[in-house]
Amino acid sequence: QQQVKQSPQSLIVQKGGISIINCAYENTAFDYFPWYQQFPGKGPALLIAIRPDVSEKKEGRFTISFNKSAKQFSLHIMDSQPGDSATYFCAASMRGGSEKLVFGKGTKLTVNP
Amino acid sequence: GAVVSQHPSWVICKSGTSVKIECRSLDFQATTMFWYRQFPKQSLMLMATSNEGSKATYEQGVEKDKFLINHASLTLSTLTVTSAHPEDSSFYICSARDVGMAENTIYFGEGSWLTVV
Repeated sequence: QQQVKQSPQSLIVQKGGISIINCAYENTAFDYFPWYQQFPGKGPALLIAIRPDVSEKKEGRFTISFNKSAKQFSLHIMDSQPGDSATYFCAASMRGGSEKLVFGKGTKLTVNP
Repeated sequence: GAVVSQHPSWVICKSGTSVKIECRSLDFQATTMFWYRQFPKQSLMLMATSNEGSKATYEQGVEKDKFLINHASLTLSTLTVTSAHPEDSSFYICSARDVGMAENTIYFGEGSWLTVV
């Protein structure tokens, strides 16, 4: 059972465009939702994260939109640049216990110049 | 941001030998570290949760006798792949939780490529 479903699997965007990646979760106990960016051969880097008490969080060109009732959250990359080309993973975790992250399957983003 | 360092970045070993990978939190204390395995073009697969001063908690299907985890201090966890075989070749990544951050943020290391020949 996949607890965090991520789509699309791959995404191609033109430079300057908006990249949108979506995730849906099943476990209502999740209360921390980070996004990670991973370049080939490197470890994931934390990009931005949100808690369910807010509906949106923005950091520079990156925005998370969160819909608690729909159990969905998404990453928006404004003014996408070729340097943003990477694989993006959404994740979720819950307080208490080990707080381990449950990852989506990833989205490979390609931003064409 | 916080830094998690892994060593070595890549290693080649002969089949049947053991390999140790280190994971260090450089500027924060991590009572909990996590070890992942990642195959090409796939997501991260959690192998085990490493707790400082206690035994690691392994995910279902992960052989604890093959993947030995030690979390001896608040800044260091090690993964030892024992009696390595070619099928153990993979990208191993550790992460550490910064409990000093309000969000209990988890940071990842750069990963270690293991090739067993």
